[in-house]
Amino acid sequence: DTGVSQDPRHKITKRGQNVTFRCDPISEHNRLYWYRQTLGQGPEFLTYFQNEAQLEKSRLLSDRFSAERPKGSFSTLEIQRTEQGDSAMYLCASSGGGKGEKLFFGSGTQLSVL
Amino acid sequence: GENVEQHPSTLSVQEGDSAVIKCTYSDSASNYFPWYKQELGKRPQLIIDIRSNVGEKKDQRIAVTLNKTAKHFSLHITETQPEDSAVYFCAATRTSYDKVIFGPGTSLSVIP
Repeated sequence: DTGVSQDPRHKITKRGQNVTFRCDPISEHNRLYWYRQTLGQGPEFLTYFQNEAQLEKSRLLSDRFSAERPKGSFSTLEIQRTEQGDSAMYLCASSGGGKGEKLFFGSGTQLSVL
Repeated sequence: GENVEQHPSTLSVQEGDSAVIKCTYSDSASNYFPWYKQELGKRPQLIIDIRSNVGEKKDQRIAVTLNKTAKHFSLHITETQPEDSAVYFCAATRTSYDKVIFGPGTSLSVIP
């Protein structure tokens, strides 16, 4: 169990630029979740996958956000035309592999949009 | 849509006292209720959970209670210690195949 890893840890970008984050879940986990967390708030659900299938995307999520998990392993989250309001910690979590519903979180990617 | 509310948003207790955090959920189909602890600058980690077929669960100094009729669940920490200081999140989900919805969090401070 090497844990959930996310890359990069920090990303600073200018408004209007596109950014992409990567998440590598625990290898035997078939479910992968993306959350967004701002200071003083709980993780806000963005989207999740069962293997390579994207099962749900938050209705609050702008069309500028897209996520993929092409081979059912790692996942990418892309934000197009970033806005200052996108600044947040983006957390990835995975579950499954006999651990049931327990979510294992990565360290997150801190995005700052200038 | 699904929603989880949590109270209080901040809680300060003296070391050795008890702390109680309460949550309510809107989706009556929710069946699994985990609690996560997030220390400053760290990732959230599961500390205890409860399923809908159980009314109470205890693990050493922490316990959770669930009232499905009222759609309420609570976290109880007894004999608090300074290392209990963190942000605690309640959450709810229907099954292991569904999304997990988190509450806004409670910042607990245990004063030595």
